[in-house]
Amino acid sequence: DTEVTQTPKHLVMGMTNKKSLKCEQHMGHRAMYWYKQKAKKPPELMFVYSYEKLSINESVPSRFSPECPNSSLLNLHLHALQPEDSALYLCASSLYSYRGRSGANVLTFGAGSRLTVL
Amino acid sequence: GENVEQHPSTLSVQEGDSAVIKCTYSDSASNYFPWYKQELGKGPQLIIDIRSNVGEKKDQRIAVTLNKTAKHFSLHITETQPEDSAVYFCAASMGTTDSWGKLQFGAGTQVVVTP
Repeated sequence: DTEVTQTPKHLVMGMTNKKSLKCEQHMGHRAMYWYKQKAKKPPELMFVYSYEKLSINESVPSRFSPECPNSSLLNLHLHALQPEDSALYLCASSLYSYRGRSGANVLTFGAGSRLTVL
Repeated sequence: GENVEQHPSTLSVQEGDSAVIKCTYSDSASNYFPWYKQELGKGPQLIIDIRSNVGEKKDQRIAVTLNKTAKHFSLHITETQPEDSAVYFCAASMGTTDSWGKLQFGAGTQVVVTP
């Protein structure tokens, strides 16, 4: 299994809603990432989890709350979002997350969850 | 921080011709340079990558070259086919613990291959 699976594929939510995006991989990767991609732009890193611990938070607003329940799952909890948060949210994983291991920063991306905030 | 510039932003080629996309990076500490292809409605897919101890790498119709001195790297696609139509992103990354996943992407190149 060489896939990163993201659900849901599409999500529409109001600014007062609470929703979650889910990501799953069974490749034995120990680093998982959330990226945000606006239309016609490159992906932007939001969070990095290394061995189920949050290792990088790129100054993301607190209305985005990541969670890594185990080495295969990554969630992104959404609350009180703004219309400008509408974007494609990409999950990715990589084999290792520490220095010296080849392939550590070779990322495998999921297909993304397209979020629309009304 | 790292800054990656990518050119051109759009590239139209006839089927069978070659396509070249160029990227420059600013931080000499960067040592990993992947290229991603993103088709409509899909996530980016790694198509080839190169590390700073290698000058060139080839995989069938695609190749990447790296010039560390000039801090630029290029993607070459030969014998283009309609299925090569997509957005291509170059990226750069450093090999430090706090930089994992911190791929600094270029702005992207929309490649259109016309039959």
